[in-house]
Amino acid sequence: DAGVIQSPRHEVTEMGQEVTLRCKPISGHDYLFWYRQTMMRGLELLIYFNNNVPIDDSGMPEDRFSAKMPNASFSTLKIQPSEPRDSAVYFCASSISGGKAFFGQGTRLTVV
Amino acid sequence: AQSVTQLDSQVPVFEEAPVELRCNYSSSVSVYLFWYVQYPNQGLQLLLKYLSGSTLVKGINGFEAEFNKSQTSFHLRKPSVHISDTAEYFCAVSDRGRDDKIIFGKGTRLHILP
Repeated sequence: DAGVIQSPRHEVTEMGQEVTLRCKPISGHDYLFWYRQTMMRGLELLIYFNNNVPIDDSGMPEDRFSAKMPNASFSTLKIQPSEPRDSAVYFCASSISGGKAFFGQGTRLTVV
Repeated sequence: AQSVTQLDSQVPVFEEAPVELRCNYSSSVSVYLFWYVQYPNQGLQLLLKYLSGSTLVKGINGFEAEFNKSQTSFHLRKPSVHISDTAEYFCAVSDRGRDDKIIFGKGTRLHILP
């Protein structure tokens, strides 16, 4: 398996624009997690899904952030409108029930 | 390039015994270091982090870790474990001042034996 695949690897956008981050989990994994990472705060869990259903979105910072998982092999994290303080690395991870998480390479987002 | 090595994929420990989970990193620059815990079917939680200052860092749930620059290590310890500590533990590193990207180790599964 190719592992968790995230795209794009880098995204630079202007303030106010919509940004969509994509994730393909490992086939057969039933949990999917979205994280945001900054140097000082470390990794923060934004939202996670089980069998495509959002379980806990309490980490989503505000209404500008939304996440979907239309099927078992694809998820998106959308920011609309984007702001400079959203600049961070966003990680997607997947796991099988009871197992450890496997992380994607991350998407570096820069909002200018 | 950065890398993180967690030497043990699984560590079995009897309840109330002490535990040490080992983590070594490689980096050509100064680093920030993190330990995360993942309980079954949950997302990762931050246990503790080293940014600067005292090399002994205390975290949640009675865990602590010591940054050793000469040995490039950041081992996680707890003096007395409980059944509830059963989880996967991830060590992570990011380059100080250069990059927000965090590199994770492969994780260590802590099994608490009754």
